[in-house]
Formats: sequence, structure tokens, C-alpha cells
Amino acid sequence: NAGVTQTPKFQVLKTGQSMTLQCAQDMNHNSMYWYRQDPGMGLRLIYYSASEGTTDKGEVPNGYNVSRLNKREFSLRLESAAPSQTSVYFCASSLTSGSYTGELFFGEGSRLTVL
Amino acid sequence: KQEVTQIPAALSVPEGENLVLNCSFTDSAIYNLQWFRQDPGKGLTSLLLIQSSQREQTSGRLNASLDKSSGRSTLYIAASQPGDSATYLCAVVGETSGSRLTFGEGTQLTVNP
Repeated sequence: NAGVTQTPKFQVLKTGQSMTLQCAQDMNHNSMYWYRQDPGMGLRLIYYSASEGTTDKGEVPNGYNVSRLNKREFSLRLESAAPSQTSVYFCASSLTSGSYTGELFFGEGSRLTVL
Repeated sequence: KQEVTQIPAALSVPEGENLVLNCSFTDSAIYNLQWFRQDPGKGLTSLLLIQSSQREQTSGRLNASLDKSSGRSTLYIAASQPGDSATYLCAVVGETSGSRLTFGEGTQLTVNP
């Protein structure tokens, strides 16, 4: 059981380049999330998707786009990378229903450096 | 806006000690609270999930309590071991935030042999 799988694990970009972070979960969860983690800032929500076909902005969505391709996959795209987007990115998933949110399961993270 | 605070930011204890990590949140209207563990260079691992109607949850040497009205939770670790060394984070799901979690910045725990 793989859980939440993120690719790539490491990436170095130049300012202005674009890239997509891929995330897939095999737990049949309906909700998926993208967070970034920075020293002194903690974990901040970029985007989340409560179900296939829906996405919503989180706390820090500027400079990012997402696609919920199907129930399993949720990708994060940086269209024109900036040094401020240097961070560790985490994908997570959970089972949610109405007011119920289950445990969050996280991927191992994608470490992105923008030069 | 919900804010989650964890004190202390870092804690160092000798092996075998019982210890308490604290988490406080500003808006008591929450659906649940989760405690996570994060090892260096790794993702977060869920430890305990407490629904708003519950007072505590236990898993092995870990016990988490929730006092929703006062906006506080504690994570109690019994008989600490060097393998418990990690960063511990708490997060809440607010009643007006959908399924989004708000995280604290974590407590970095070091258990010395």
C-alpha cells in the first residue's frame, strides 16, 4: 500500500521556468491538499480539492495552479517560478464527509529550489 | 482567522521521562484536532485524531487530550525514548473552514540517551 506518492522528490529551477508536481493516492480518499512548508512559517495550504472536479484556494494560492485529474491524482503547477517559491511541498489526502474530516496522510515531500 | 500555537518550540529531555507538549487554538469552533509527527526530511505522520465530541485519544505511549472550550490540547508521551525525537505538530479543522486544517509550527523534541 503506497499511500500518497509525490514526484519529483527534488527539483532545481531557474526563475521563470515552469514545472508540475505530481501527487497520487491509493486510499480512495475524496479530499486532497497541497501544502508548502517554510522555516518559521509552518505548513500553509496552497490549494485543496474536496472531490473530483472541484478545487479551492487555500492560504497562499498566488503563483500556483492545480488540477484534480481524477479521484487519485492532484497536480500542482508553477507557471513561472520565482525564488519565493523555494520550499518543500507536501501533498496530502483524507476522507471527508460533511463535517467529518479523517486523518490526513502525507507524501514524503518535494524539495524545490528556484534560482 | 484561526491561529494555532505550540509551546515550547523546542524541548530536550533525558530518556525515560514523561513529557507534555502543548497546543492552543484561538477559535474553539472546531470539528477535530490532529497530532502529527515529522522526522527530518520526511513527510508528516498522523499520530492521533480527536473529534470535537471527544476528550482524549490514546495510542500506545501517547495520550492526547482536548479541551475545546478553552482552546487547548496536550500530547502526553510516557517513558520517552530516543526514537521519539522528532517534530510534533498539531492541527485543527475549524467549523467554518470546510475540510482545511490549520497547523501550528510544531515542537521539536530531542530525547537524549
